[in-house]
Amino acid sequence: KAGVTQTPRYLIKTRGQQVTLSCSPISGHRSVSWYQQTPGQGLQFLFEYFSETQRNKGNFPGRFSGRQFSNSRSEMNVSTLELGDSALYLCASRANFFETQYFGPGTRLLVL
Amino acid sequence: ELKVEQNPLFLSMQEGKNYTIYCNYSTTSDRLYWYRQDPGKSLESLFVLLSNGAVKQEGRLMASLDTKARLSTLHITAAVHDLSATYFCAVDFSGGGADGLTFGKGTHLIIQP
Repeated sequence: KAGVTQTPRYLIKTRGQQVTLSCSPISGHRSVSWYQQTPGQGLQFLFEYFSETQRNKGNFPGRFSGRQFSNSRSEMNVSTLELGDSALYLCASRANFFETQYFGPGTRLLVL
Repeated sequence: ELKVEQNPLFLSMQEGKNYTIYCNYSTTSDRLYWYRQDPGKSLESLFVLLSNGAVKQEGRLMASLDTKARLSTLHITAAVHDLSATYFCAVDFSGGGADGLTFGKGTHLIIQP
């Protein structure tokens, strides 16, 4: 079974721009979560989608948004980028709410 | 506040030795996960602990969960260099993950020959 895939793997943007990251979950997994990883704050939960509905959102500003499509693929959007948004963005999928989350390789975003 | 604390945060040890990483969390949960991350890589799932007293073992790694003490341990037996990585514990405080996982800061483990 193919794992979680994320595109692009690396991205360089400038302040004020917006960015869209994509995640394809493991086949059959309907839950997709997004996390931000930075050296200072560690791993932080952004949001989770299940069956195209956002279940909850972490403590992030409204500039961070996401969506999930009917095929369970998910996108995350960050508008008006700030330097502090530079991070590794990880997507994870799982089959149900009691299983572990399987993480993708991440998208490394650098904001200049 | 929902907190997950790991200690130590850095650990340098010799091959062949045993050691334990501790993960304390702030409030009731019976769902705890251990992950491994190699430099520049993503997170690899190691263990899922879903009840008090749960113990899981895989090779030289063994994880346990004490929900009453709000403590999980990851024990390394006879360490080998290949186990060098950063280990994270993560807790599901919402009983189904609606609020995502809360991660510890990670334990950076270096195993020297």
